[in-house]
Amino acid sequence: TQLLEQSPQFLSIQEGENLTVYCNSSSVFSSLQWYRQEPGEGPVLLVTVVTGGEVKKLKRLTFQFGDARKDSSLHITAAQPGDTGLYLCAGVRYNAGNMLTFGGGTRLMVKP
Amino acid sequence: DTGVSQDPRHKITKRGQNVTFRCDPISEHNRLYWYRQTLGQGPEFLTYFQNEAQLEKSRLLSDRFSAERPKGSFSTLEIQRTEQGDSAMYLCASSLEVVEGAEGYTFGSGTRLTVV
Repeated sequence: TQLLEQSPQFLSIQEGENLTVYCNSSSVFSSLQWYRQEPGEGPVLLVTVVTGGEVKKLKRLTFQFGDARKDSSLHITAAQPGDTGLYLCAGVRYNAGNMLTFGGGTRLMVKP
Repeated sequence: DTGVSQDPRHKITKRGQNVTFRCDPISEHNRLYWYRQTLGQGPEFLTYFQNEAQLEKSRLLSDRFSAERPKGSFSTLEIQRTEQGDSAMYLCASSLEVVEGAEGYTFGSGTRLTVV
């Protein structure tokens, strides 16, 4: 059972389109992280959001943490083929050894 | 320091054989984690070490699995009597414990295990 549900599971779009990926949970997390993973490689940390309602921007990527610290979203503006990959959200609980609870991932393909 | 290193990158083994994977974390990181990732899924937590102490083990870590971090530096994950269901990517991550706030995790490239 995934404690963190990501949607959509798969997304195929054309270059230049915008998209949003959602990460939802019934549990509260101390913080939430987003990772990007390419085939055959480990996940690479993109961002950590800590405060409820927090918004962070990383170039064309905008990350938001829900007010109740149970959900998050990742919005990509003007997607490029280089954005192709598996996007994973992961919740962190500081009183649980800081281990990560991952969502199932969103596989994004951006076609040129 | 070139990040978290895992060895081997790929391992094919026959069912019933034992396998051992190695992880070399970032040198100043005192926390080390093992995760398992099956195709199309997100990684699942297996176990973690703070220095040389193994502080948490998931229920996924059956008796056939054992992990060590003898000197608080590199770690090994051994699977005995492998089964086809053990086929997965085994990921290692390290982090530096912080007093407050979120830690930055660095993952290795993983060891892909195929049990035939």
